Amino acid sequence: ETGVTQSPTHLIKTRGQQVTLRCSSQSGHNTVSWYQQALGQGPQFIFQYYREEENGRGNFPPRFSGLQFPNYSSELNVNALELDDSALYLCASSLRLGEGTEAFFGQGTRLTVV
Amino acid sequence: GEDVEQSLFLSVREGDSSVINCTYTDSSSTYLYWYKQEPGAGLQLLTYIFSNMDMKQDQRLTVLLNKKDKHLSLRIADTQTGDSAIYFCAESTGAGSYQLTFGKGTKLSVIP
Repeated sequence: ETGVTQSPTHLIKTRGQQVTLRCSSQSGHNTVSWYQQALGQGPQFIFQYYREEENGRGNFPPRFSGLQFPNYSSELNVNALELDDSALYLCASSLRLGEGTEAFFGQGTRLTVV
Repeated sequence: GEDVEQSLFLSVREGDSSVINCTYTDSSSTYLYWYKQEPGAGLQLLTYIFSNMDMKQDQRLTVLLNKKDKHLSLRIADTQTGDSAIYFCAESTGAGSYQLTFGKGTKLSVIP
């Protein structure tokens, strides 16, 4: 158990719909990152939030957006879902910003777009 | 550009040593990581190494780093069936952020 919880664990959506995934960080962690892991691939960085501000973004279109709340929990929103958005979405929280700081991953949300 | 490459599969007998290899391209990476992912689970950090180190040992795990060749390896001594999982190599990129670039993962199968 890493103390990072994600909800829901599984989700099925129809192409074109919108989805919100949630992440509760480990207590005291002010940094959260989101990753997309397609089947058979390694996780790909979507974006990172530090103290409620976006701090770095990977190669994902603007229909992927996020929020971090004052309690440092976070949401990932995806609009206009496409079939290729089907993946495991992983949230990772860190005690602080910076390299070498251990990131604790949640169990992920498995999103299926049909 | 940033790219991390790993062989996709490795099969070893229980009790033998496993060696998982990785190459990376970003010479500015200061930390390199090994993560483990079991079926249906998230990622577990196994170990990491700072780029000015050549080797790091942690119980059954030994990490070797050849910065000149941008080659990283993870050795698991006395491999057990519980070590069966997918192992990801990752490098940190992006100044000021904890952005990880992962390889595709090596699936380790341990034969009893």
